[in-house]
Amino acid sequence: TQLLEQSPQFLSIQEGENLTVYCNSSSVFSSLQWYRQEPGEGPVLLVTVVTGGEVKKLKRLTFQFGDARKDSSLHITAAQPGDTGLYLCAGAVANAGKSTFGDGTTLTVKP
Amino acid sequence: NAGVTQTPKFRVLKTGQSMTLLCAQDMNHEYMYWYRQDPGMGLRLIHYSVGEGTTAKGEVPDGYNVSRLKKQNFLLGLESAAPSQTSVYFCASRWGGAGELFFGEGSRLTVL
Repeated sequence: TQLLEQSPQFLSIQEGENLTVYCNSSSVFSSLQWYRQEPGEGPVLLVTVVTGGEVKKLKRLTFQFGDARKDSSLHITAAQPGDTGLYLCAGAVANAGKSTFGDGTTLTVKP
Repeated sequence: NAGVTQTPKFRVLKTGQSMTLLCAQDMNHEYMYWYRQDPGMGLRLIHYSVGEGTTAKGEVPDGYNVSRLKKQNFLLGLESAAPSQTSVYFCASRWGGAGELFFGEGSRLTVL
């Protein structure tokens, strides 16, 4: 069973601050996804990374996949209250047909 | 644009009762999943299906059964509910085994 550890578990910051969330594993994944979940809703995909060392940017969000494809990070620049939510990473192994989720990072951005 | 629809959205059961959660998707996805989400524990895979007529166990399958008789539907059954099964259940679907997961809005189950 592949395990994904996310850190920190909780993060509370002021609007305008920068932050980084980490997703680490001892297993190699063929792809890794980041999802964002708001209360009362299902998770929604933010990004998929598939190549070791890959960096993807989505407006103020920057995602990186580790060179060895075992870890990933999510960096948010100038956080806004609308970024508040639960951030989940999920790893997939080729041909396994399923994804493993981390325990999530709960982000609160205060105005 | 229904996407993934779960019913019911809320349910309260007594210990020992049985129930079925229904997941329906209108995107012609091959893969379907049932997850449970508990505070501080992210999403844990219960059962999944890689196509009509197939099912497979996930990380936490005990106490649950599933069926995929039609491609668009994935049913999750609890034969004898226990308080430990109090949780929020999410259904998800996707085309391939590693693509974007599309989630339903969740079903909140309380077992007394």
